Amino acid sequence: RKEVEQDPGPFNVPEGATVAFNCTYSNSASQSFFWYRQDCRKEPKLLMSVYSSGNEDGRFTAQLNRASQYISLLIRDSKLSDSATYLCAVLAGTALIFGKGTTLSVSS
Amino acid sequence: GAVVSQHPSWVICKSGTSVKIECRSLDFQATTMFWYRQFPKQSLMLMATSNEGSKATYEQGVEKDKFLINHASLTLSTLTVTSAHPEDSSFYICSAREASDYNEQFFGPGTRLTVL
Repeated sequence: RKEVEQDPGPFNVPEGATVAFNCTYSNSASQSFFWYRQDCRKEPKLLMSVYSSGNEDGRFTAQLNRASQYISLLIRDSKLSDSATYLCAVLAGTALIFGKGTTLSVSS
Repeated sequence: GAVVSQHPSWVICKSGTSVKIECRSLDFQATTMFWYRQFPKQSLMLMATSNEGSKATYEQGVEKDKFLINHASLTLSTLTVTSAHPEDSSFYICSAREASDYNEQFFGPGTRLTVL
């Protein structure tokens, strides 16, 4: 079942670029949404939760569109250190369902 | 933030052997723990959910007799891969959740299993 779908990328951008990722989910009853960052061979780390009103944390902005069932992540002024895989996750019942992740590569 | 540890961080074993992976919540009580598996370039796939003191709930397609989960205390869950085969080689990650915060899960650093 593909409950959460993401464009796998890779997204290759220069430093300073703005990049956006989208993620769609199939369960309209889902209530909680998250973006995680995963570095190679590491566990995922919570980047930010996604709220209906949208939320911003520094260079990162997350948006939720319930009507269209997608969430987005915007990264402004990309840094080399932003290179990673970004996973969206949806809380389905008691468990998190992850997308496959979108790979971002920021180059100088 | 809350810390979750996993042991071992990597393991190589022969086909047919069993491997036990431990997941511990170090500074909080984890009423619920989750076990995920991640193959290269794939998503984290939930294998099972375990609640302290009760049987684990397995996701469709995950063999409960092959992947034995025990969550005997509020700080420890174990996953045993029985009679491991090369196709079981993967990255196994656990996460833990406190009873007081339904939304947030804390992930362990993962265990890389290679079956020869």
